Amino acid sequence: QKEVEQNSGPLSVPEGAIASLNCTYSDRGSQSFFWYRQYSGKSPELIMFIYSNGDKEDGRFTAQLNKASQYVSLLIRDSQPSDSATYLCAVSRNNNDMRFGAGTRLTVKP
Amino acid sequence: EAGVTQSPTHLIKTRGQQATLRCSPISGHTSVYWYQQALGLGLQFLLWYDEGEERNRGNFPPRFSGRQFPNYSSELNVNALELEDSALYLCASSLSRNQPQHFGDGTRLSIL
Repeated sequence: QKEVEQNSGPLSVPEGAIASLNCTYSDRGSQSFFWYRQYSGKSPELIMFIYSNGDKEDGRFTAQLNKASQYVSLLIRDSQPSDSATYLCAVSRNNNDMRFGAGTRLTVKP
Repeated sequence: EAGVTQSPTHLIKTRGQQATLRCSPISGHTSVYWYQQALGLGLQFLLWYDEGEERNRGNFPPRFSGRQFPNYSSELNVNALELEDSALYLCASSLSRNQPQHFGDGTRLSIL
């Protein structure tokens, strides 16, 4: 079992729709959860981080965490073509040993 | 504020050679992390340095090593290069050991 699992996609949504990206993790001791966006040929860019159960909103992005189910998700509202990228879920016990998922490729079609 | 800077952008080596990659963290950041991202694969954690000390390393052989300097910049050294070492090497830094990591643009290492 992989430590961090994501659907590889591609996930395709129309412009303006909500994109839902999911991630599960195996280490119950994980305490910090991150979403990074990586454009092709570029380095990962931090979008959101969440430490507590529940929802955390930042603009069009909402991160959701359910530690009991070992599940974290990212919702992107009003998706734009510029949101087309690979989204990486990362999990760590203490921010110092992040384990990344393989990423979900998102395509937003105009 | 300048981000994490890495050099060189590209590096071409042959099997058996040694490579040195460099990273300057964001000003004020004391923790530096190194990751390997092979083509089509996810990020694999290599090394973490904090306050000049190696704090943790991933599942990589000892020929992957590095150090952190007093100004918190860091080097990653890869000895006895193998073809499978061809990858994008990413450096990240964080304000302290419990803060989110921010990535540089990476060094693409190609082994011929």
